Amino acid sequence: DAGVIQSPRHEVTEMGQEVTLRCKPISGHNSLFWYRQTMMRGLELLIYFNNNVPIDDSGMPEDRFSAKMPNASFSTLKIQPSEPRDSAVYFCASSPLAGPYNEQFFGPGTRLTVL
Amino acid sequence: ILNVEQSPQSLHVQEGDSTNFTCSFPSSNFYALHWYRWETAKSPEALFVMTLNGDEKKKGRISATLNTKEGYSYLYIKGSQPEDSATYLCAFGGDAGNMLTFGGGTRLMVKP
Repeated sequence: DAGVIQSPRHEVTEMGQEVTLRCKPISGHNSLFWYRQTMMRGLELLIYFNNNVPIDDSGMPEDRFSAKMPNASFSTLKIQPSEPRDSAVYFCASSPLAGPYNEQFFGPGTRLTVL
Repeated sequence: ILNVEQSPQSLHVQEGDSTNFTCSFPSSNFYALHWYRWETAKSPEALFVMTLNGDEKKKGRISATLNTKEGYSYLYIKGSQPEDSATYLCAFGGDAGNMLTFGGGTRLMVKP
């Protein structure tokens, strides 16, 4: 299995531009998570999906952030417009089943730099 | 906001030393406690998922214990090796949903 796939691995953009991060979870996994990692706040959950349905988006910082999961094998996290404070590493993770008992499998992350 | 704390924040040990660090979490609404190992420039990988008070899990030289009544877990590494150098994260599952709250991590550096 290829594991969780994220693209791009690195993104450098200018303030005000739209940024789209992509994730392909492990085949057969029913839960998908988007995390953001910063020095100040550590690893924080932005949103998660069960069976393609968004369950909790309370971690999404503001309306500039949106996430979709149109099917079981693809999810996007979009930032529009981007700001320098959005610079961080964004991780996608997937889990076989819903519930806190299942380990999460993390992708390699996308390092976003907003100038 | 759930309080998941890890200590120490960082730790330098010599090769061969045994070491341990702590994760503290709320003692109410406990469902699961995860430990992840996160090497620099890589992504976190699960070590253990613990669910029962008194659980002890072991993987090679790494082991973990769980006390849900007092809200803490210990991670032990016996005979540390340079390849153990990483950040060790704990994550608390406090509801029936999927949400995990991660601690800030303990960064371990093992000198050869």
